[in-house]
Amino acid sequence: QKEVEQNSGPLSVPEGAIASLNCTYSDRGSQSFFWYRQYSGKSPELIMSIYSNGDKEDGRFTAQLNKASQYVSLLIRDSQPSDSATYLCAVNLGGSYIPTFGRGTSLIVHP
Amino acid sequence: DAGITQSPRHKVTETGTPVTLRCHQTENHRYMYWYRQDPGHGLRLIHYSYGVKDTDKGEVSDGYSVSRSKTEDFLLTLESATSSQTSVYFCAISPDSPNQPQHFGDGTRLSIL
Repeated sequence: QKEVEQNSGPLSVPEGAIASLNCTYSDRGSQSFFWYRQYSGKSPELIMSIYSNGDKEDGRFTAQLNKASQYVSLLIRDSQPSDSATYLCAVNLGGSYIPTFGRGTSLIVHP
Repeated sequence: DAGITQSPRHKVTETGTPVTLRCHQTENHRYMYWYRQDPGHGLRLIHYSYGVKDTDKGEVSDGYSVSRSKTEDFLLTLESATSSQTSVYFCAISPDSPNQPQHFGDGTRLSIL
């Protein structure tokens, strides 16, 4: 079965720390990977897309992709209380243009 | 922000009644999607559209139908609502190129009593 797996959390980190969110997926042929942030009661909003192995940085966010090991991660540097949200990983499994979403990891950044 | 409008934003209705949710986009994107989001299940795809009058089923399509008569509008219909369809419904769009990210509407909170 094609799946995208995330630890539901909550992941609790102190303000200023690095938060590391992980996602594994089932299909080695997957090509497109996305991270979304969802605040409670709001809709998902795109943080980053990544398509190639390695790291991609955007401000305090870094996405890391390892296709051989079938995982994608999101690092949040200098975490702020405003980063407290659920983070959704989405993968176009096997090259499908329809993404499959993980169930999300809840992140809590405490002052 | 992507121009996506969902209506209504909130609705309470009774079991057995028909319900139609509307998604309207101003981006002229080809692909449109309907998801439902429930605690413990995450986002689950109901139906999607890849063009006018071109639609297909997602993983939780039973009890739902869709229509897309214009590029900008994608309608989701619950023919006879059941309490199990109480959920938050999100519409999403993505552009013509494959493997592009989706952008979501603000959601519709639907309660079926």
